[in-house]
Amino acid sequence: AQSVAQPEDQVNVAEGNPLTVKCTYSVSGNPYLFWYVQYPNRGLQFLLKYITGDNLVKGSYGFEAEFNKSQTSFHLKKPSALVSDSALYFCAVRDNAGNNRKLIWGLGTSLAVNP
Amino acid sequence: DGGITQSPKYLFRKEGQNVTLSCEQNLNHDAMYWYRQDPGQGLRLIYYSQIVNDFQKGDIAEGYSVSREKKESFPLTVTSAQKNPTAFYLCASSILQGAAETQYFGPGTRLLVL
Repeated sequence: AQSVAQPEDQVNVAEGNPLTVKCTYSVSGNPYLFWYVQYPNRGLQFLLKYITGDNLVKGSYGFEAEFNKSQTSFHLKKPSALVSDSALYFCAVRDNAGNNRKLIWGLGTSLAVNP
Repeated sequence: DGGITQSPKYLFRKEGQNVTLSCEQNLNHDAMYWYRQDPGQGLRLIYYSQIVNDFQKGDIAEGYSVSREKKESFPLTVTSAQKNPTAFYLCASSILQGAAETQYFGPGTRLLVL
């Protein structure tokens, strides 16, 4: 069965420091991985996705994510955090086996960037 | 949020009442989705539609109904059978691209029970 885990409910980081938000997954076929961000009382905004190819994916607002097949991980990273990055981050996965349209969502990680 | 609108932003439901949440997109996307978000539970799929006049149940369809009469519109009705409707409801849309397709979200509607 497909699944996604975001092992940390909350991540705290000081402004200017690098940040990492973790995501691990389990699929039967090849994974298609997504990161979204949600600000309070707003919809989700797409940040980036991994389909195939280069393991380092660059996305919006200076975020990037590294796909690691052996560790089944897709961690979100940013070299220098901003206070405005404080939000809820969601990882999601879909595999290419069968005709599955559904995204499987993690429970979210709340990122707090302290000034 | 651009291109996908949801209304109203806040909606209040009385006991035994059906309410309808609106979702409209001008992105010419084929597929549309409804999710429910509760604190600490992530996103749960209610219904989705890939084409006009066709839709499929998601993981938590009980107590909800949808229609897809136009490509641009995918309204969600929360019926009186849904006993715990208080949640944040998110509509999304996407171009059909198989496993690689990206869903884009509207701003959400918060439903509260009086």
